[in-house]
Amino acid sequence: QKEVEQNSGPLSVPEGAIASLNCTYSDRGSQSFFWYRQYSGKSPELIMSIYSNGDKEDGRFTAQLNKASQYVSLLIRDSQPSDSATYLCAVKPIRAGKSTFGDGTTLTVKP
Amino acid sequence: GAVVSQHPSWVICKSGTSVKIECRSLDFQATTMFWYRQFPKQSLMLMATSNEGSKATYEQGVEKDKFLINHASLTLSTLTVTSAHPEDSSFYICSAGATQTSGGGSRETQYFGPGTRLLVL
Repeated sequence: QKEVEQNSGPLSVPEGAIASLNCTYSDRGSQSFFWYRQYSGKSPELIMSIYSNGDKEDGRFTAQLNKASQYVSLLIRDSQPSDSATYLCAVKPIRAGKSTFGDGTTLTVKP
Repeated sequence: GAVVSQHPSWVICKSGTSVKIECRSLDFQATTMFWYRQFPKQSLMLMATSNEGSKATYEQGVEKDKFLINHASLTLSTLTVTSAHPEDSSFYICSAGATQTSGGGSRETQYFGPGTRLLVL
């Protein structure tokens, strides 16, 4: 079992729809959770970080964390073609040190 | 804030030569920096973790004598690919850990540089 698992996709949604990206992790001691976006040919870019159970909203993005279920998700409302990218989930077991990345979910938003 | 730069952005070299890639945190001090490699349409692969002033920790299967990492200051880490061969051609990405303090605690977030594309002929 991988430490951080994501559906590889591709996930395809129409423009304006809600895209839901999911991630599960195996280490119950994990404390920090991140979502990165990576456009083709570019490096990852931090979108959201979340540390406590519940929802965290930033513009069209909402991160949801459920530590009991070891599950973190990213919702993208009003999806735009410019949101088409690979989304990486990252989990950090302690406050500092290396994050473990999932393999990413490729999202395509169709006009 | 939390900007990481890399230089060069791309490099083409002949087989057998060495290539140095620089990673700088521009507006924060990074105790920890990370080096990744990514082949086309594949996942990020962590190569090593470097801490300022100490030896880097390499991931299993990564040759430390081939990929030399130096983290001489809190804002600069370098990766040198020694005796590069065509199979070393890849996208090399660094990231730096930025520490934020709030509510009596501190947390570290990784910010990525723009990457260096290496082509070895």
